[in-house]
Amino acid sequence: SSELTQDPTVSVALGQTVRMTCQGDSLRRYHATWYQQRPGQAPVVVSDGRERRPSGIPDRFSGSRSGDTASLTITGTQAEDEADYYCHSRDRSGQKWVFGGGTKLTVL
Amino acid sequence: EHLSESGGGLAQPGGSLRLSCAASGFTFSNFGMHWVRQAPGKGLEWVSGIRGSGTDTYYADSVTGRFAISRDNSKNTVYLQMNSLRVEDTAVYYCARRLWFGEGDWFDPWGQGTQVIVSS
Repeated sequence: SSELTQDPTVSVALGQTVRMTCQGDSLRRYHATWYQQRPGQAPVVVSDGRERRPSGIPDRFSGSRSGDTASLTITGTQAEDEADYYCHSRDRSGQKWVFGGGTKLTVL
Repeated sequence: EHLSESGGGLAQPGGSLRLSCAASGFTFSNFGMHWVRQAPGKGLEWVSGIRGSGTDTYYADSVTGRFAISRDNSKNTVYLQMNSLRVEDTAVYYCARRLWFGEGDWFDPWGQGTQVIVSS
């Protein structure tokens, strides 16, 4: 089982705001990174371990953290945002890395 | 900045495979490198990592004692030697570069992945 917990599925209406969460004790110390993965493709960073967007990622994506929970918010969700989203950080020991189970985002 | 995996294929349970990941476009020895896998229809699972110098290695509990990560900085290549393969090791294996800042780190870029199938 993953040390980072994500909701398996989330839905959002086109143009609306959605927040996906990732919960884990290690997040009290370590920042989370968020990846977007479309079918058949490698993951892509949408919010890095500094909670910044890499070059080329739309500004509607934003990452944040509070306590043991990290969040990825998409403001004004577009159809092309439909994908799987994974959070990623270290475990409590700091010697291993972990991924959340992933959230499948559906845009209605 | 580009990563390209190779070496995947079909192996029998108990068998071995060696994956390679060739890097280009950055100073390879300055960065830790990691392997992440994804079983069919499943999520991402971190497998192993190695420091830029090669002095320290890290493994997920699921592969400890069976897999070995190594690197050759003269060839800009990281390897994953997989022994005692199990059916549950079937997955697409990605290599990725580790970036970090303070208490945050992330994997970028990723390779395109190489498929490993363990079956009799």
